[in-house]
Amino acid sequence: DQQVKQNSPSLSVQEGRISILNCDYTNSMFDYFLWYKKYPAEGPTFLISISSIKDKNEDGRFTVFLNKSAKHLSLHIVPSQPGDSAVYFCAASANYQGGKLIFGQGTELSVKP
Amino acid sequence: DVKVTQSSRYLVKRTGEKVFLECVQDMDHENMFWYRQDPGLGLRLIYFSYDVKMKEKGDIPEGYSVSREKKERFSLILESASTNQTSMYLCASRPPGQGTFGYGYTFGSGTRLTVV
Repeated sequence: DQQVKQNSPSLSVQEGRISILNCDYTNSMFDYFLWYKKYPAEGPTFLISISSIKDKNEDGRFTVFLNKSAKHLSLHIVPSQPGDSAVYFCAASANYQGGKLIFGQGTELSVKP
Repeated sequence: DVKVTQSSRYLVKRTGEKVFLECVQDMDHENMFWYRQDPGLGLRLIYFSYDVKMKEKGDIPEGYSVSREKKERFSLILESASTNQTSMYLCASRPPGQGTFGYGYTFGSGTRLTVV
């Protein structure tokens, strides 16, 4: 039972344009949603998060949107840069589960110059 | 910055061997986690620990065990390595408390294990 799903394994975007990465979830009890970025041969690094009581959180070029009714969140990167090329993981946590993170399958973003 | 160190970047082991993957964090975090990453499957939780000598099974604990004798060290043990345990193994830590859940984990660089 995949509670967090990223249905697009890959995404290719031109430098300077917007990248939109999508994530769906099934558990309405999730309290936090997070995005991680991973380069090859490195561990994931935390990028941005959003509480379930909010619908938007912004940090520089990165914005996460949460639509609770649709159980959907998205990460927008504007403008996209070649250094953003990496695998992006969506994750979610629930307080009643002790806050352990449940990850999606990941989306590989390629930003072309 | 919190540092999570995994002792080996690459390991090659033979089928049937007992394998130890070590993870050390330097920020006195109570919570530590072991994940494996496989293409198309994302990160899957193997075991986690909320404190010394405590352990909880994650989603895929079969074939694995863990040890947490000291707060800073969390070891993953493959009792008898098999080829389907070839994977990238990632250790993570996080301070306790619900207020930290939104900040996520700090991960180590990973250990790429190949079982032949």
